[in-house]
Amino acid sequence: QVSLVQSGGRVVQPGTSLRLSCVVSGFSLSNTAVHWVRQAPGRGLEWVALLSSVGNNHYRDSVQGRFTVSRDLSRNTVSLQMNDLRHEDTGVYFCTRRRPVSGVDYFDSWGQGSLVTVSS
Amino acid sequence: DIQMTQSPSSVSASVGDRVTITCRASEAINNWVAWYQQKPGKAPTLLIFGATSLQDGVPSRFRGSGSGTDFTLTINSLQPEDLATYFCQEAKSFPLTFGGGTKVEIK
Repeated sequence: QVSLVQSGGRVVQPGTSLRLSCVVSGFSLSNTAVHWVRQAPGRGLEWVALLSSVGNNHYRDSVQGRFTVSRDLSRNTVSLQMNDLRHEDTGVYFCTRRRPVSGVDYFDSWGQGSLVTVSS
Repeated sequence: DIQMTQSPSSVSASVGDRVTITCRASEAINNWVAWYQQKPGKAPTLLIFGATSLQDGVPSRFRGSGSGTDFTLTINSLQPEDLATYFCQEAKSFPLTFGGGTKVEIK
């Protein structure tokens, strides 16, 4: 049974940092890519970052240099470290798994979401 | 960045109706498109991948079609549980992008 369980969302002030976690089960991070997708309140979905199965990263331009995705294989955990947070980073953040076998970035399993609110 | 223009932004239909949602990509993306359903307060779920392939467990009333730049999600015989917002997503290049969403309401 594939599962992604998230934690770490909360209210923070602009310019501060926050770390989100995503504990996975039912698959291995060694052979499956994990992405982060966010959704501003009442808005659509926005891709944020990728951590590939071999540990490579890719980020959208607006978070490049501020956000870092990492993993701990021993704990089956993917983390999103967010620094210098801005009001426009507010939203629900989802971790999501790349659909295996397809070789293309479709997302077949999702975490429950973590609400990040950046407010002074 | 590839832009995914989705229409309509909302649609209201009766149980049993056919609903059609379209996405147009700003450049050709082969068949690298997925469709997701998102119910209020929940994470999205994958319905269709590769433009036409039905994800395991998804009812057969959902159908995807198209290639190149124009893609369609059809819901045949709309059911009450289909109340949700639907998004398309291109998977050709980074940054991966989504359509703006279509909210499906039941009359």
